[in-house]
Amino acid sequence: IMLTQSPATLSVNQGESISLSCRASQSISTNLHWYQQKPNESPRVLIRYTSHSISGIPSRFSGSGSGTDFTLNINRVEPEDFSLYYCQQSNSWPFTFGSGTKLEIK
Amino acid sequence: EVELVESGGGLVQPGRSMKLSCAASGFTFSNYGMAWVRQAPTKGLEWVASISTSGDNTFYRDSVEGRFTISRDNAKSTLCLQMDSLRSEDTATYYCTTNNYGWFAHWGQGTLVTVSS
Repeated sequence: IMLTQSPATLSVNQGESISLSCRASQSISTNLHWYQQKPNESPRVLIRYTSHSISGIPSRFSGSGSGTDFTLNINRVEPEDFSLYYCQQSNSWPFTFGSGTKLEIK
Repeated sequence: EVELVESGGGLVQPGRSMKLSCAASGFTFSNYGMAWVRQAPTKGLEWVASISTSGDNTFYRDSVEGRFTISRDNAKSTLCLQMDSLRSEDTATYYCTTNNYGWFAHWGQGTLVTVSS
């Protein structure tokens, strides 16, 4: 299953609210997870199963979608949010990741 | 606090073998499925292999099937990845992760494997 993330790069100002897209090549129900990776750091999970929150992750991160179209929303981007974001599906083997969206400062 | 510490990476020649280890602490290791995820330099994330809690079930991506072997020792809270017949395209940082229910909750700091002559 291929995951296509868009846009590849998103330039925004701090304080804006944004949405990142992840589209699957076939239906994956809600078996979609989101990760954040900062430079020279390991990834960390932000959202599991499309919309379920993770302990310790700020509430400004939320997710939605089902089937083939998914969205990660960030309400009012903070300086520490400028990084890479990946989606990942666990509907079927092999587990696959999207190619990522880079969130950068405008 | 969950901690995953990888070791065993380094420079290896094409066709040779290397074994990665991951020492787990801060949680009941035997209750968690585990996995290896890799990231080639400047590239995205790529799932490599997963193993069930007991070790009875293993899963691999096609490109490493038959060359890599994932294993675990629940008594020692250790996860391993035996990598044989290494290729240049296996060059990457390898992350040890927990893998319950399909998502990767906890990640180690990664260990770099460079396959080059």
